[in-house]
Amino acid sequence: EDQVTQSPEALRLQEGESSSLNCSYTVSGLRGLFWYRQDPGKGPEFLFTLYSAGEEKEKERLKATLTKKESFLHITAPKPEDSATYLCAVSPPGAQKLVFGQGTRLTINP
Amino acid sequence: EAGVAQSPRYKIIEKRQSVAFWCNPISGHATLYWYQQILGQGPKLLIQFQNNGVVDDSQLPKDRFSAERLKGVDSTLKIQPAKLEDSAVYLCASSLRLNTEAFFGQGTRLTVV
Repeated sequence: EDQVTQSPEALRLQEGESSSLNCSYTVSGLRGLFWYRQDPGKGPEFLFTLYSAGEEKEKERLKATLTKKESFLHITAPKPEDSATYLCAVSPPGAQKLVFGQGTRLTINP
Repeated sequence: EAGVAQSPRYKIIEKRQSVAFWCNPISGHATLYWYQQILGQGPKLLIQFQNNGVVDDSQLPKDRFSAERLKGVDSTLKIQPAKLEDSAVYLCASSLRLNTEAFFGQGTRLTVV
C-alpha cells in the first residue's frame, strides 16, 4: 500500500528560527508530490507541485525540494503567520489520485 | 477566479439520520474529489470523478455513502444512515485534470450525535 509519512507530527519554533519539515514516501515512479497549508477550520491551500528528483520551488519564506524518496519543506526565518498544518500528498503511478500524509502542525512563537 | 464552493459549512445530525453535502468546483475543472478529514489526520479520499465518471471509489463505504456528479459539474455526497464515526470534515476539491494540483473548498464539518 502507498505510504506517505510526515515528520515531525508537531514542531514549535521561535520567530526567525529556520527549520525543515519532512515528507517521505514509498511510492516508486512518482507522478507528482504536492505541498499544502491548512489553517484551522479551512480547507487545504495549495503551495507547490514537484515532479522530479532535484526539483526545487520557492514562495516567500518556503522552499520545497524533492529527492527519490522524500521531500523537504524548508522554512526560513518564519513569522507567526506561518503557523499552520502543512500537508504533503503524492500522486502514485496508475492510481491517478492524491494520497495525503497526516500533516505537520507548525507553531511559530513571537 | 471563484474557488470551490461547498455547503453547508456545518451540520449536526443524530445517528441513523441522513445528510447531503453539495459542491460546486472551479469552472472548467474536469476532476472532482471528495475527501474525509478526521480531526488530527490528513484527508482521506472517498471518491474521485473525472467529468461524469467515477475514477476511484475504493475507500467509499458504499453501504451508507453515495455520490454523484451531475453533467460533469456540481456534485453531492450523501450519507444514509449516519454513524457516530462519520463525524469529520468533508472536503471537496477540484483540479484541471488528473495528477495536477487540487484546489479545496472550505469543507463541511459534520457532527453525528
